[in-house]
Amino acid sequence: DAGVIQSPRHEVTEMGQEVTLRCKPISGHDYLFWYRQTMMRGLELLIYFNNNVPIDDSGMPEDRFSAKMPNASFSTLKIQPSEPRDSAVYFCASMRGYEPDTQYFGPGTRLTVL
Amino acid sequence: EDKVVQSPLSLVVHEGDTVTLNCSYEVTNFRSLLWYKQEKKAPTFLFMLTSSGIEKKSGRLSSILDKKELFSILNITATQTGDSAVYLCAVYNTDKLIFGTGTRLQVFP
Repeated sequence: DAGVIQSPRHEVTEMGQEVTLRCKPISGHDYLFWYRQTMMRGLELLIYFNNNVPIDDSGMPEDRFSAKMPNASFSTLKIQPSEPRDSAVYFCASMRGYEPDTQYFGPGTRLTVL
Repeated sequence: EDKVVQSPLSLVVHEGDTVTLNCSYEVTNFRSLLWYKQEKKAPTFLFMLTSSGIEKKSGRLSSILDKKELFSILNITATQTGDSAVYLCAVYNTDKLIFGTGTRLQVFP
């Protein structure tokens, strides 16, 4: 398996622009997680899905952030409008249910908002 | 509120030293505790601990869990420069991982 795939790997945008991050989980994994990592706040869980259904979005910082999982092999995280404080590395991870040692992270998207 | 606390935040040692990283937690519905290593990329899995007192080992790394006192330690013996990384502790409750802020380990020759 190719592992968790994320795109783009790097994104530089200007404040106010819309940003869309993409993730393809490992086939057969029924959980998908979006994390954000910064030096100040460490690794934060933003939202996670089980069988394509959002379970907990309490980590989403504000209404500017939204996430979707239209099918088992694709998810997006959208920021609209983006702000400089959104600059971070965004990781997607997938997992087989109730097996936390099967959670694998994608390579991450480094987002810079100018 | 669920929380996972790691200490120290940062550690600088010389090659050959032995280090101990700490992780304490207060999490409802605890199921297991996991350790990850993160270099300049995504976290990679090291260990999963479910039962108290049973040591997990992989080469120079070992870890143990104390479910009564709610903590775990990660030991690295005979450290090497390649051990330099951020080590993350995470607790799995019902269906998600709750991460600590990590310990940054720097190993100098």
